[in-house]
Amino acid sequence: AQKVTQAQTEISVVEKEDVTLDCVYETRDTTYYLFWYKQPPSGELVFLIRRNSFDEQNEISGRYSWNFQKSTSSFNFTITASQVVDSAVYFCALSGEDSNYQLIWGAGTKLIIKP
Amino acid sequence: DTGVSQDPRHKITKRGQNVTFRCDPISEHNRLYWYRQTLGQGPEFLTYFQNEAQLEKSRLLSDRFSAERPKGSFSTLEIQRTEQGDSAMYLCASSLGTLTYTEAFFGQGTRLTVV
Repeated sequence: AQKVTQAQTEISVVEKEDVTLDCVYETRDTTYYLFWYKQPPSGELVFLIRRNSFDEQNEISGRYSWNFQKSTSSFNFTITASQVVDSAVYFCALSGEDSNYQLIWGAGTKLIIKP
Repeated sequence: DTGVSQDPRHKITKRGQNVTFRCDPISEHNRLYWYRQTLGQGPEFLTYFQNEAQLEKSRLLSDRFSAERPKGSFSTLEIQRTEQGDSAMYLCASSLGTLTYTEAFFGQGTRLTVV
């Protein structure tokens, strides 16, 4: 069965600090996809990144970076120089053949950036 | 195209009443998903359509819930005889995909409160 664990329920940091959101997953699939979504207070889920299981290259997009490590089944998300606008709930999700390609979601990490 | 839109944004209803929500996906997207999200949780899959065909329905979905996508464009989700436990955010998403998963784009959701 597939499962996504986001152990951090809430993180609070001061603006400009770096912060890492953890995501650990379980799957029996050899081909699968990992995602991060952001949910600001407005409620809409905003797609941030998709990574397939064959691509372990880390990715950087501006202040955002993702570290995918198959050896530890982790797909962690780092925000560098955090800003108040980064405050949101962040969800990690997994999709693969085992779930008929439906998204399996973590419980989310609420990130609070204090000015 | 302004993305996925959902209507209404908020709905308050009395227990036992029927409610219907509408979702307009991104126009070229052939897949449409419904999710339910309660406070502090990740989205929970309800059902999905590929074009007008409803391909999967969650086992957790009560028979009071029904979804349609009659022309493969917009979709409606109806809840009959609402219960207080139905109070949640109902999210719609759409994607362009065939066998594998592509990123889904979400609407802002319909927040249902059953009193």
